[in-house]
This record gives sequence, structure tokens and C-alpha cells, in this order.
Amino acid sequence: KAGVTQTPRYLIKTRGQQVTLSCSPISGHRSVSWYQQTPGQGLQFLFEYFSETQRNKGNFPGRFSGRQFSNSRSEMNVSTLELGDSALYLCASSPWTGDTEAFFGQGTRLTVV
Amino acid sequence: GQQLNQSPQSMFIQEGEDVSMNCTSSSIFNTWLWYKQDPGEGPVLLIALYKAGELTSNGRLTAQFGITRKDSFLNISASIPSDVGIYFCAGVFGANNLFFGTGTRLTVIP
Repeated sequence: KAGVTQTPRYLIKTRGQQVTLSCSPISGHRSVSWYQQTPGQGLQFLFEYFSETQRNKGNFPGRFSGRQFSNSRSEMNVSTLELGDSALYLCASSPWTGDTEAFFGQGTRLTVV
Repeated sequence: GQQLNQSPQSMFIQEGEDVSMNCTSSSIFNTWLWYKQDPGEGPVLLIALYKAGELTSNGRLTAQFGITRKDSFLNISASIPSDVGIYFCAGVFGANNLFFGTGTRLTVIP
């Protein structure tokens, strides 16, 4: 069974640009959550999608958004990039919303210059 | 947001030694999780704890859910070189909101 797949693995963007990251969950999993990991702030919850609906949202500005497709694949978008958005973005999948045992992908390392 | 204090921040131990790390919070959590993250990889779930006072083992790893529901600890016995990595605790609050500790970086000296 394939694990959680995130693409791309690495990205370099310029301030002010926007970026879209992709996450394919484990087959059969319907919940996808996104996290931002930085050395200073650690792992922080961004949002969770289940059945194409955002179920939970962390404390991030509106520049961070996401969506989920009918096949459970999810995308995360960050608009008007800032230097502080440089981070490892991780997605985690679980079978159902409210499942605490989430499985993480390898992450997308975003560098904003 | 919820604050999770994880300690120690880093540990250097000899192969074969036991390791202990803990996580404390000012808030109550419904579930405690422990993850390990290797360089360039996402976190991998090691142990999940669902009840106050619960003690759970996974091989050489043992974790406990504190009776106050505000803390948890993880023990690793007889450490080996592949135990190297960053260990994160995470508390689950409300509807599947995970809050992570700041991590404990473990180095095992052969």
C-alpha cells in the first residue's frame, strides 16, 4: 500500500508569488491535514479536509488556503508569499475525520527568497 | 494555541542506555501521541495513548498518559544507533486538532 505522497519535494519561490502544494493520501483515507514545520515554531496545524470540506482550521492568515478533491487528494495554496513562509509543509492522512492516528508524507520544503 | 513543553531539547547518550523524555501542558488533552522524525522525512507515529493513566509499549518504547491528562512521557530502553532522530509529542484537543511539542533531538553514540 503506497504511503502519503507529497509533491513537489522542494520549491524555491520569490516573495509575493503564490504556490500550490499537492498531497495524495493513502488509498482509502478520506481525511487530509496540513502542517507547517519551522525550526522556531515547530509543527503547527494548518487545516483538515474531509469529504471535500474543510473541517478544522489552525491559526494561520487567509493567505493559506486549501481544497480537497473527490478522490481525497488535497492541495494547499499560499498566496503573496513572505520570507517567513519558508518551512517544511507536511500533510497527513487518516481514514476518517477525528482519527488521531495520522500518517505523514515526506513533506514539501518551501524556500521563499 | 495550546503550549506543549517538551524536554529535554536534546540528548546525547551511549548505545545501550535507556532514554526518557516528557511533555507537559497547561491544558488537558484527550489523546497523547508520540512521533519520530528522521532527517528529510515526515513524522512517523510510534505510540498513541487514549486514556489517563494508560501505559503502552511498542517494542523497546513505552509511553504513559499522565493521570492529570496534562502530561506524557516516552521511554526508550537499550538504545541503538537507529533510534537517532527527533521525537515529538502531540496532544489532541477538541475535534482532531493536534498540537505538537518542540521536539527532543536524540543522538546515540555507538
